[in-house]
Amino acid sequence: DIQMTQSPSSLSASVGDRVTITCRASQSISDYLNWYQQKPGKAPKLLIYAASSLQSGVPSRFSGSGSGTDFTLTISSLQPEDFATYYCQQSYSTLAWTFGQGTKVEIK
Amino acid sequence: QLQLQESGSGLVKPSQTLSLTCAVSGGSISSGAYSWTWIRQPPGRGLEWIGYISHSGSSYYSPSLKSRVTMSVDTSKNQFSLKLSSVTAADTAVYYCARSRWSSSGYSFDYWGQGTLVTVSS
Repeated sequence: DIQMTQSPSSLSASVGDRVTITCRASQSISDYLNWYQQKPGKAPKLLIYAASSLQSGVPSRFSGSGSGTDFTLTISSLQPEDFATYYCQQSYSTLAWTFGQGTKVEIK
Repeated sequence: QLQLQESGSGLVKPSQTLSLTCAVSGGSISSGAYSWTWIRQPPGRGLEWIGYISHSGSSYYSPSLKSRVTMSVDTSKNQFSLKLSSVTAADTAVYYCARSRWSSSGYSFDYWGQGTLVTVSS
């Protein structure tokens, strides 16, 4: 299986901060990388697909970048509703899709 | 607006079979543009992809669960199902159904059900 490692596992930030979350794949996955946001008790929500494409309806303060093994999710100006856990997910490995372990964004 | 809704037994005894159904509304499960996926999340932990099934019934499972998983689709009822056999406490999780969408760079899960908690306990 392709292992996905996110860093940090958690972070504290303030409203208005720029936040960056990193996801590293154990082997090259081209741009077959998606990002999700999950709030407590809720299903995950797709934010970014194909590494850098913004899902319809997602605010433009969210952006994704990267290719190969290293990827980044950036929130340009953190809003109160952005406090959540974020997951990366790869679909490069045929029939063995995997998620990162998650990054929890908390209020400072 | 597409909606997915999981249903099934919330409590399953060890060694028995977990059975869940996902009803799809607001769109047809027969659309060839999508496939239909199950994902689970143990309490307080991360997400695990279980597998997916196409509208035609072709199914693909995670290697780690393949020996115990069966998925099926019922286009007449616009729903798809999951069976997981020989369950143990490690299978206790919130189970989500989701739609898988293909792009030029792989699959993403763009619509999700609300999730249903399945507890394995005697």
